[in-house]
Amino acid sequence: QQQVKQSPQSLIVQKGGISIINCAYENTAFDYFPWYQQFPGKGPALLIAIRPDVSEKKEGRFTISFNKSAKQFSLHIMDSQPGDSATYFCAAMGSYIPTFGRGTSLIVHP
Amino acid sequence: DAMVIQNPRYQVTQFGKPVTLSCSQTLNHNVMYWYQQKSSQAPKLLFHYYDKDFNNEADTPDNFQSRRPNTSFCFLDIRSPGLGDAAMYLCATSRSYDRVVLYFGPGTRLTVL
Repeated sequence: QQQVKQSPQSLIVQKGGISIINCAYENTAFDYFPWYQQFPGKGPALLIAIRPDVSEKKEGRFTISFNKSAKQFSLHIMDSQPGDSATYFCAAMGSYIPTFGRGTSLIVHP
Repeated sequence: DAMVIQNPRYQVTQFGKPVTLSCSQTLNHNVMYWYQQKSSQAPKLLFHYYDKDFNNEADTPDNFQSRRPNTSFCFLDIRSPGLGDAAMYLCATSRSYDRVVLYFGPGTRLTVL
């Protein structure tokens, strides 16, 4: 499986702050870039996703920024809330099979 | 509610003792996946099915096998679990290859003593 590098491994943010998680990929054949959110004791669930033909996608407080030339994409969580505390996985898909990053544990302090 | 169900949620086995993990889905999805997730690591794809067509990842150990008797059920068999096989095992589904959203079950936490 092609590698997807995700950073940071853990992130602590105050309520109301901005959380930023970064991912980088190698394979230019990847054509779909989802982010999954995982709460303790639950499986990952799709949060937001982007295709490489756009540079940004926003859904509520969550935004993906995509830089095709740099082969990087990032998740921005605006006005972070304690309920956003979870593990976030980026992924890159090629041939309809996702390759996941290692995950970022986000803690939002009240 | 349509969902992906995994049983058991926690499984303890002894070194070398075969174990079977199960996954069922009410989504009627064609594709089912098994992932292994170790602490602080990315979920690692073990294999996936498109209907009954089985696709094994090249680096999946022979110790891991899978069965999909029908659309709804999929099993992961670990023939001789080693200490290194202790992990969370995640089952996921997607409608077909042109539907890129994966729906995950809650996972089975496997402990090997």
